[in-house]
Amino acid sequence: QVQLQESGPGLVKPSQTLSLTCTVSGGSITSAPYFWGWIRQPAGKGLEWIGHINTTGTTNSSPSLKSRVTISVDTSKNQFSLKLSSVTAADTAVYYCAREVMWGYCSSNSCFGMDVWGHGTSVTVSS
Amino acid sequence: EIVLTQSPGTLALSPGERATLSCRASQKVDTFYLVWYQQRPGQAPRLLIYGASNRATGIPDRFSGSGSGTDFTLTINSLEPEDFALYYCQHYGGSLWTFGQGTKVEIK
Repeated sequence: QVQLQESGPGLVKPSQTLSLTCTVSGGSITSAPYFWGWIRQPAGKGLEWIGHINTTGTTNSSPSLKSRVTISVDTSKNQFSLKLSSVTAADTAVYYCAREVMWGYCSSNSCFGMDVWGHGTSVTVSS
Repeated sequence: EIVLTQSPGTLALSPGERATLSCRASQKVDTFYLVWYQQRPGQAPRLLIYGASNRATGIPDRFSGSGSGTDFTLTINSLEPEDFALYYCQHYGGSLWTFGQGTKVEIK
């Protein structure tokens, strides 16, 4: 059973870079052609997709965040990471990582969609 | 970029009743790329329905999805106590994911 766990600082100062890592356990990050994504949720608000990466290094990100987002993968550590630069209070949220299944290769859970999620990590941007 | 609009914002029902949640896309979308999630308080979202109408593994059959074009529906037959939660629709297109703003199903 694949599990995801987010880690990183819970407090980031304005204008600095938010850095989070998602560790994949219970299976290899390269086991199948999944994408590995980041999603955030401000308190009391909805879900916002940030971006994703696959193990060949293909990345995509939300147009509204693209200029500030860097997503990378370290297959040797079974991890992928998010960097969000120039943060402001508006970036305060719970950040989730998730596995994204794409049509053409089904997981044991689904043939499409975000089928495995981390528990989320709360990040506050404040001085 | 496609915008997903969910309605109603809040649905107040009693256990045992049927819930009907709507997700409307700003332009026609392929049903293959429409997904529904459930989010209980303090938890991560959970994949319910993919491809507009396919239940994910382990999802009870009281959950069903339907629709095509721009209008999609998530139906929950005979609400159980654990079904009172937030529900989001989601679309994938142009290598981007978009979420609706969510519908809260609360106990009446």
